[in-house]
Amino acid sequence: SAVISQKPSRDICQRGTSLTIQCQVDSQVTMMFWYRQQPGQSLTLIATANQGSEATYESGFVIDKFPISRPNLTFSTLTVSNMSPEDSSIYLCSAGALSGNTIYFGEGSWLTVV
Amino acid sequence: KQEVTQIPAALSVPEGENLVLNCSFTDSAIYNLQWFRQDPGKGLTSLLLIQSSQREQTSGRLNASLDKSSGRSTLYIAASQPGDSATYLCAVRRPSNTGKLIFGQGTTLQVKP
Repeated sequence: SAVISQKPSRDICQRGTSLTIQCQVDSQVTMMFWYRQQPGQSLTLIATANQGSEATYESGFVIDKFPISRPNLTFSTLTVSNMSPEDSSIYLCSAGALSGNTIYFGEGSWLTVV
Repeated sequence: KQEVTQIPAALSVPEGENLVLNCSFTDSAIYNLQWFRQDPGKGLTSLLLIQSSQREQTSGRLNASLDKSSGRSTLYIAASQPGDSATYLCAVRRPSNTGKLIFGQGTTLQVKP
């Protein structure tokens, strides 16, 4: 199994500012992902974090708004840029091995934009 | 396009009841299916994973089944307890094995003492 730590766990942010969320996995994993969960909704995949290269974004998400880094196998960051109240969500990091089965999730980072 | 649906959206039962949560998906070509539990404002805890070649998996009071041909999975919870109160999410993993998950909307369960 993998233990995933996210920071911050919760934050209140001002409109127009940016916040970077960190994700640390306790073991080397092949795949890392970032999901968004808007209030009362299910999870939507934002992007796949690729080690040492640009992230692969899903339809509806762009790099300028959600820049992602993954400098090594166990660490990734997601920045939510120029935040608006519509960005108020839980952002979740997930990870797993390419040949493995279970995908693990962090505790999430709950952002409220005011 | 794969779509995942969970029924019911919410469920309230008295403690001790056995219950079934349902998950359906539109494209039977999946790599595996995973059931998660989410407590309010928290992340996801993996409960059970069923590979596409498997029919069921069991862990304690939980049993998950998979009928890939009909696009259905069920999560059976035996002898429910108030501590089981949470939102239960099912997610399918695409056959290309990219690790991407497609989630249902979840079933919010309340078990009353």
